[in-house]
Amino acid sequence: SQQGEEDPQALSIQEGENATMNCSYKTSINNLQWYRQNSGRGLVHLILIRSNEREKHSGRLRVTLDTSKKSSSLLITASRAADTASYFCATDLPFTQGGSEKLVFGKGMKLTVNP
Amino acid sequence: NAGVTQTPKFQVLKTGQSMTLQCAQDMNHEYMSWYRQDPGMGLRLIHYSVGAGITDQGEVPNGYNVSRSTTEDFPLRLLSAAPSQTSVYFCASSRDGETQYFGPGTRLLVL
Repeated sequence: SQQGEEDPQALSIQEGENATMNCSYKTSINNLQWYRQNSGRGLVHLILIRSNEREKHSGRLRVTLDTSKKSSSLLITASRAADTASYFCATDLPFTQGGSEKLVFGKGMKLTVNP
Repeated sequence: NAGVTQTPKFQVLKTGQSMTLQCAQDMNHEYMSWYRQDPGMGLRLIHYSVGAGITDQGEVPNGYNVSRSTTEDFPLRLLSAAPSQTSVYFCASSRDGETQYFGPGTRLLVL
């Protein structure tokens, strides 16, 4: 069963605009990760935020985590056509100790950035 | 480094046939996993390994076998292919059990 659910399922924006994607999950976690998948390719890790962190930045990416609401958001600023991809959140199962070798992925959200 | 490699890229099987999907990584990662991706379902974990000789089941293990005789290789075996196993299969590895590095995927069609 899916742990994380991305919202919206699809988003279409113009180049230069910001894109915000949300992820909700059901149980407590050790950390939450975001991945990107270009069409027909493998997933690429974007950013990891731990349960004791509230916000993290990496380049044009900003991730927030609200453990009380069991939700996370991924903000991509100044979007580019190359950001067009599917984005997935992933959480570790609550009974995992230490590492997150048993990641559970959401169904994904498709972002289209129009030039 | 080649990273995570998967072979074949595409395979067509008939129902009942068996095959092995190959996965190799050259990053000396202890953790390796197999996922399947189906439309509208995201990625689901099939089997995973935390080191050579150690494997465990994920969310959807039925119909699949794995073994981990070396750190580098983590093959996935389909014992008797069924149309429900038509999917895209991804192998991933991780140094710390957190950040996953994915291979390019194998597209499998079972007729």
